[in-house]
Amino acid sequence: ETGVTQTPRHLVMGMTNKKSLKCEQHLGHNAMYWYKQSAKKPLELMFVYSLEERVENNSVPSRFSPECPNSSHLFLHLHTLQPEDSALYLCASSQDIQGYNEQFFGPGTRLTVL
Amino acid sequence: GENVEQHPSTLSVQEGDSAVIKCTYSDSASNYFPWYKQELGKRPQLIIDIRSNVGEKKDQRIAVTLNKTAKHFSLHITETQPEDSAVYFCAATLSGSARQLTFGSGTQLTVLP
Repeated sequence: ETGVTQTPRHLVMGMTNKKSLKCEQHLGHNAMYWYKQSAKKPLELMFVYSLEERVENNSVPSRFSPECPNSSHLFLHLHTLQPEDSALYLCASSQDIQGYNEQFFGPGTRLTVL
Repeated sequence: GENVEQHPSTLSVQEGDSAVIKCTYSDSASNYFPWYKQELGKRPQLIIDIRSNVGEKKDQRIAVTLNKTAKHFSLHITETQPEDSAVYFCAATLSGSARQLTFGSGTQLTVLP
């Protein structure tokens, strides 16, 4: 598959579980992003990585832990989540972190926390 | 930081009519304004963008207008079709900087046949 892929597409977890979301981009981009999308709310930027270095962390709780082992892969490690963390988690990539670059989104992971 | 407000949150139009979605932004330094479309169950995709050195940009049935003085920009869709039904997000940022996009809350557009 080309573009930006995410796995799993759906995830149900209990509050004590530990899980990870995976994102992979096949576009040769240097910047990758995690967004949280909740119903009727703006897309919330969580983390930004540029060339595997985290450049932005928007006051995200520590129960969300990102990892970027290389410029093509991005993970979001989840532990001790709360029901209000249930949302669609979108990964995106762009050529670089300059804001005017088009962001290419993945299909998202629909997360439900019980 | 930037704050982007988007209206309306839902919009229903008859097929063939026009649709207009409006956004306002708070930071007068912002100079890049993209619009993303997200169809049901799909990922957001860029459909059109505008920079502050122009007041209007068109691409077939969609157009975006920008009023820098009033700090608002709008998406116009003419001759709407059922496939235009989706959630539309506006966003704003300062290009040439590392500041990230600030998105509006989205507008659910429904085109009625």
